[in-house]
Amino acid sequence: NAGVMQNPRHLVRRRGQEARLRCSPMKGHSHVYWYRQLPEEGLKFMVYLQKENIIDESGMPKERFSAEFPKEGPSILRIQQVVRGDSAAYFCASSPPARWTEAFFGQGTRLTVV
Amino acid sequence: KQEVTQIPAALSVPEGENLVLNCSFTDSAIYNLQWFRQDPGKGLTSLLLIQSSQREQTSGRLNASLDKSSGRSTLYIAASQPGDSATYLCAVRITGANSKLTFGKGITLSVRP
Repeated sequence: NAGVMQNPRHLVRRRGQEARLRCSPMKGHSHVYWYRQLPEEGLKFMVYLQKENIIDESGMPKERFSAEFPKEGPSILRIQQVVRGDSAAYFCASSPPARWTEAFFGQGTRLTVV
Repeated sequence: KQEVTQIPAALSVPEGENLVLNCSFTDSAIYNLQWFRQDPGKGLTSLLLIQSSQREQTSGRLNASLDKSSGRSTLYIAASQPGDSATYLCAVRITGANSKLTFGKGITLSVRP
């Protein structure tokens, strides 16, 4: 049973480009969470999704950021018109519906904006 | 608003020492608390999960305790080894909310051979 898979592991974008980060949850998991870890900061919650639904996006920046978790395929975190301040590690976690309070984390995507 | 604090930010100990990592949180209405380990450039590995009704959990050389009323948790590491060197993160889930986690900034542990 593979763990939470995130790709790419490293992503370099120029200012103004778009970044798309993908997360495939563990098999049988229907809950996905995205967190961001800025340099010298702790992990901050961004968004919580279930299949085809955004449950809580209280941690998402109001502009340029969006997330989806379609019926088929991975969850996508999309950042439009990236700026240097978006450089961070982005982590995805998933949990099963029966034990929804325990989350399992992926290895993260490290985004660098140049 | 829930805040999680981990002090000190860094700790260096000689191999073989028993040590305690502290975590404090401001809102005692938590559902559970989880300790994670993060190696440099890596993801998070769950170490121990303590439900709000529990006082402690043990796994191998690790023991985590929870005191909800005082807003504190400790992670005890027995007979530390160089391989224990990593950043240790404490995170809480709030009662009645969804299952998002609120994290501390972590304690970076270095175990000297």
